[in-house]
Amino acid sequence: DSGVTQTPKHLITATGQRVTLRCSPRSGDLSVYWYQQSLDQGLQFLIQYYNGEERAKGNILERFSAQQFPDLHSELNLSSLELGDSALYFCASSGSGSQETQYFGPGTRLLVL
Amino acid sequence: AQSVTQPDIHITVSEGASLELRCNYSYGATPYLFWYVQSPGQGLQLLLKYFSGDTLVQGIKGFEAEFKRSQSSFNLRKPSVHWSDAAEYFCAVGVLAGANNLFFGTGTRLTVIP
Repeated sequence: DSGVTQTPKHLITATGQRVTLRCSPRSGDLSVYWYQQSLDQGLQFLIQYYNGEERAKGNILERFSAQQFPDLHSELNLSSLELGDSALYFCASSGSGSQETQYFGPGTRLLVL
Repeated sequence: AQSVTQPDIHITVSEGASLELRCNYSYGATPYLFWYVQSPGQGLQLLLKYFSGDTLVQGIKGFEAEFKRSQSSFNLRKPSVHWSDAAEYFCAVGVLAGANNLFFGTGTRLTVIP
């Protein structure tokens, strides 16, 4: 158990809908990262937040957004969903140093029908 | 730009045999390198990491990896594979300068046969 929790575990929805994925980092970790794992693209970095502020952006679509709240949990919002958004979405957290290891949550499996 | 290549999509080994999974990276600065393992239906678990210092790093579950700067490689090894090692293995390079996001290779699926 990495200490990173993600909810829900599974999500099934329809095209055009909007969903919210939630992540709670390990106790004390200030950084939260979101990754997408799909058959087509593999594991891709989406976005990083550090202590409530956006720190880095990867291959995140404009239909996707994220935020980190004062209690450090994070939410990834996916809107106008398409079939191709079906994937496993991972959250990871790390401390504040430059050599911090990222610890991954179990992921949320999203299926868009 | 940074990238990671894992040239072997799928490897099959017999239980008790040795294992080497290949990883090559491309990054302009000194890399931070990681190996993660993903069991079916599970998240990613860190096996080991290289930041600096000794180029041979030891990890969990009897794994080790060697950083070779001249070859831009960070191959993962295990002297004797167990059936429970069957999983997908990902090599990753960490980007620094304020953002520690990881760039992953495409993964190598390991099958262990009795």
